Amino acid sequence: NAGVTQTPKFQVLKTGQSMTLQCAQDMNHEYMSWYRQDPGMGLRLIHYSVGAGITDQGEVPNGYNVSRSTTEDFPLRLLSAAPSQTSVYFCASSYSSRGAEAFFGQGTRLTVV
Amino acid sequence: GEDVEQSLFLSVREGDSSVINCTYTDSSSTYLYWYKQEPGAGLQLLTYIFSNMDMKQDQRLTVLLNKKDKHLSLRIADTQTGDSAIYFCAESMDSGGYQKVTFGTGTKLQVIP
Repeated sequence: NAGVTQTPKFQVLKTGQSMTLQCAQDMNHEYMSWYRQDPGMGLRLIHYSVGAGITDQGEVPNGYNVSRSTTEDFPLRLLSAAPSQTSVYFCASSYSSRGAEAFFGQGTRLTVV
Repeated sequence: GEDVEQSLFLSVREGDSSVINCTYTDSSSTYLYWYKQEPGAGLQLLTYIFSNMDMKQDQRLTVLLNKKDKHLSLRIADTQTGDSAIYFCAESMDSGGYQKVTFGTGTKLQVIP
């Protein structure tokens, strides 16, 4: 049972480049979320999804897009990377609407230069 | 708005008890959570407490909730070096059918052998 798998683990981008952070879960969870973790700021919600085909914005959605075509996958797209998007990104999934009972991926450390 | 605050750092000696504190601002919280993050890993749910409870004990972990003061604490008895990690407090509240989760900034626990 792999749980929540994020790829890649590390990535360096140049300003203006685009990329997709992958997230997959094999627990048949309806709820999936993307967070970014910055020093001294805890985790901030970027986007979330309550099921296939349904997504919504979180606290800091600007510069990011998501889609949810299947229950298993929830990719996060950076359209035009900026240095302010340098962060550690975590994907999480949960089986209930109580969002914090979540299983987290290992994280993707992204640096934008 | 919601705000969850924690002290940034705590140092204890192995075998002592650790107490990590958290304050939150939203009185409509439904659940409060404690997560543990080890270096290079995602967050792992340690325990949670429903907002109408005062205390929850789970092996070496004791969670105390003071709703009047909006104060949550996590006590780790007989702290071990393996407990060294960052501990995040989080609160969740209903937001249009989904439990919106707000994380604190995290408390780094250092256990001295």
